[in-house]
Amino acid sequence: DTAVSQTPKYLVTQMGNDKSIKCEQNLGHDTMYWYKQDSKKFLKIMFSYNNKELIINETVPNRFSPKSPDKAHLNLHINSLELGDSAVYFCASSQDTSGRETQYFGPGTRLLVL
Amino acid sequence: GQQLNQSPQSMFIQEGEDVSMNCTSSSIFNTWLWYKQDPGEGPVLLIALYKAGELTSNGRLTAQFGITRKDSFLNISASIPSDVGIYFCAGTSSNTGKLIFGQGTTLQVKP
Repeated sequence: DTAVSQTPKYLVTQMGNDKSIKCEQNLGHDTMYWYKQDSKKFLKIMFSYNNKELIINETVPNRFSPKSPDKAHLNLHINSLELGDSAVYFCASSQDTSGRETQYFGPGTRLLVL
Repeated sequence: GQQLNQSPQSMFIQEGEDVSMNCTSSSIFNTWLWYKQDPGEGPVLLIALYKAGELTSNGRLTAQFGITRKDSFLNISASIPSDVGIYFCAGTSSNTGKLIFGQGTTLQVKP
């Protein structure tokens, strides 16, 4: 069974469109994250949620809106997609927000904006 | 924002050779983690370090949490082709509690 799963794995879309990426974890963790990995492979945190509540919101355009319907799911909706949004988006989860618990990553969603 | 400096950026080595990579920070970290990312996959945790001076092994991998709490290294002994991938250090900042990633070290192993 996949611990952290994301859909879709690939997403190709036109500039200006709105799209969503879904993430689910079956580890029973309380905390979930979204990361963005750019073309230089640099990983940067975007958001984290603990028990459905927003904990970290880095400097991310407000076109990006995370939603956590329950603690096992964290979805990412992106409005008015731009060329610079092209990247790999990783979801991750951890037991808590202490920073001492391992983060488990999903397989990533490869977004290409044309 | 806070950054981790990871080096080297890339390595191309012969199978059987030992590999060493490290990360440094200008501020103190509470934890140091080493992840590996295979092509087309998400990062997977290799080793976690929680105490200054801690030295931990996982098979052919050994990592240490620097005494100053501002650095860490990862060694891979007797490299094999499946060691190919991108290795990331990550640390939890004592200031912010956030997990910050290094820029990654791309490892290629020639059979």
